[in-house]
Formats: sequence, C-alpha cells, structure tokens
Amino acid sequence: KAGVTQTPRYLIKTRGQQVTLSCSPISGHRSVSWYQQTPGQGLQFLFEYFSETQRNKGNFPGRFSGRQFSNSRSEMNVSTLELGDSALYLCASSPGRGAGANVLTFGAGSRLTVL
Amino acid sequence: SQQGEEDPQALSIQEGENATMNCSYKTSINNLQWYRQNSGRGLVHLILIRSNEREKHSGRLRVTLDTSKKSSSLLITASRAADTASYFCASPQGGSEKLVFGKGTKLTVNP
Repeated sequence: KAGVTQTPRYLIKTRGQQVTLSCSPISGHRSVSWYQQTPGQGLQFLFEYFSETQRNKGNFPGRFSGRQFSNSRSEMNVSTLELGDSALYLCASSPGRGAGANVLTFGAGSRLTVL
Repeated sequence: SQQGEEDPQALSIQEGENATMNCSYKTSINNLQWYRQNSGRGLVHLILIRSNEREKHSGRLRVTLDTSKKSSSLLITASRAADTASYFCASPQGGSEKLVFGKGTKLTVNP
C-alpha cells in the first residue's frame, strides 16, 4: 500500500511569511503526528491528530497549528515564520488505536528553509 | 522534552562488526521502539519491545529492555555499509500515544 506522502518536499520562505505543509497518511490510519527535526534540538513533537481531533500537543508556540480532515489527511501551518523555524518537518501516521497503535510510519519530510 | 537518551552519540565500526547502542528513558513505559533514519529522510520503524518483554529479535537486530534500570539496548550483528544511519529510541510519554524520541546515535559502518 502507498506510504505516507508529504508535500512539498522542499520550500524556501522569508521571515514573516506563513507556510502550510500537507500529509497524506497510510490508508486506514486514523492518527497523524507531526515532528520538527533540527540539528540542535533533535526530534521535537508538535502535535497528534486522531479522527479530526487534536489528541496531543507539544510545547510549541501558537504560531504552529494543524488540522486533520475527515479522510485523515492532515495539514500543519506555521505563521509569522522565524529563522529558527528552519527544519525538517516530519509527518507520521499510525493506526492510533489497538494493536500497533503508536507504531509510526513516517513520510520523507518537508524541508523548510527560512531566510 | 526528550524521553530517551541514546548513547553513544556517534559510533564508527568496520563492516562485519557488531554495533551496540543504548537508550535510557525517564518515565514508566508500556513499550519502547527503535527507528532508523537515513540522512535527511523519514524514520523507519525497526522493532518494538513491550514492557513485559526482556529481549526481542528481528533478523540481525536484537533489542533488550531493562525496566528496573529504565534502559534498552539495540544490537546490530554483522553490520553492513547499508546500516549507516542514525538510530533513535522512542517511547510513549505520559500514558498517551505521543511518542517521544531521543537524540539518536549516528552509526557509520565503514566498508
């Protein structure tokens, strides 16, 4: 079956702009999690959505937001971009419940560069 | 916040040797997972070990879990150049499905 698809793969923005990243999970997976990866901080959890509801949230400012649609696809948005938002943003899907509930399948990531 | 901390941060070995990576975590867990990441790509799930298991095997991978010491180890036997990657441990935090990752061990296998 198709894997987790993230778009776009690469993007360059300037400070103050906003960005929307998209994630299509594996068919049948109801949970989508987002992570930010930087060399200094490693993998930081952003949020997790399950059946269109935010189930868990990390310690990121309100500029970072997300949503999940009825088909489980998810988007995350970062507003008023800062240089420090430059990172690899990873989306991962999982069943979200039952056996293997939190075994994550990751997408290839969206690499954001903020100039 | 990091739940797991891997040790060492970096490891360089020759092909054919074994590689051992360790992970320590802070809170009680019901399972611990290991993932691999090739440079700049998404992570790939390798293996999951439950809190009531002490050891688990998958191919050339062997994972142990010591809940009394809050630690786990990943052993890769007979390593290959293709095993060059970063390896992360991850565990659920706070009773939720939220997986928290360590900072990883960067493994280099030299041909």
